[in-house]
Amino acid sequence: QEKVQQSPESLIVPEGAMSSLNCTFSNSASQSIWWYQQHPGKGPEALISIFSNGNKKEGRLTVYLNRASLHVSLHIRDSQPSDSAVYLCAESNYNVLYFGSGTKLTVEP
Amino acid sequence: EAAVTQSPRSKVAVTGGKVTLSCHQTNNHDYMYWYRQDTGHGLRLIHYSYVADSTEKGDIPDGYKASRPSQENFSLILELASLSQTAVYFCASSGGNERLFFGHGTKLSVL
Repeated sequence: QEKVQQSPESLIVPEGAMSSLNCTFSNSASQSIWWYQQHPGKGPEALISIFSNGNKKEGRLTVYLNRASLHVSLHIRDSQPSDSAVYLCAESNYNVLYFGSGTKLTVEP
Repeated sequence: EAAVTQSPRSKVAVTGGKVTLSCHQTNNHDYMYWYRQDTGHGLRLIHYSYVADSTEKGDIPDGYKASRPSQENFSLILELASLSQTAVYFCASSGGNERLFFGHGTKLSVL
């Protein structure tokens, strides 16, 4: 059974600031690490994934992966109120994803 | 756009009763999943399937059965519903690239 831990549980940032979310996973051989966004009353939606050590940038999102330390982080540049949601980290193992409990992000105008 | 439809959107069931949650996808995806979400626990995998007529157990399969009669349909069955199964249930599908497409969820209350 995979085990994914996320921190912090909740995060409040002002509009325009950088939001930084953290995740530790259990298996250095996991295939990919995913970040999903979930708005209230909706199903999660995939945001970004990373497979190789290092960083990956897509728009305002940057993900850093360090397999040796089993750590991945998500950074949202120029955070907007519309980014307010729960962010779920997941590690994959042959097309099966195991999720953490999430970080609730609130971006205040 | 990928579409995963769950029914019902919400349900109230009695303890000991039988509950069936249904999921239909129009994505032509081979993989389908059932997760439950509880406050503070994130998403936990109940059952999944990678081909019709076959299902696999996830992390928390006890008290649940799954059925995949076709590529498009995947059901979750609670034979004897219990209070502890009150949760929001999400169905998802994937084409094998690990990107999951989720439905809107089914809110189940067992009284």
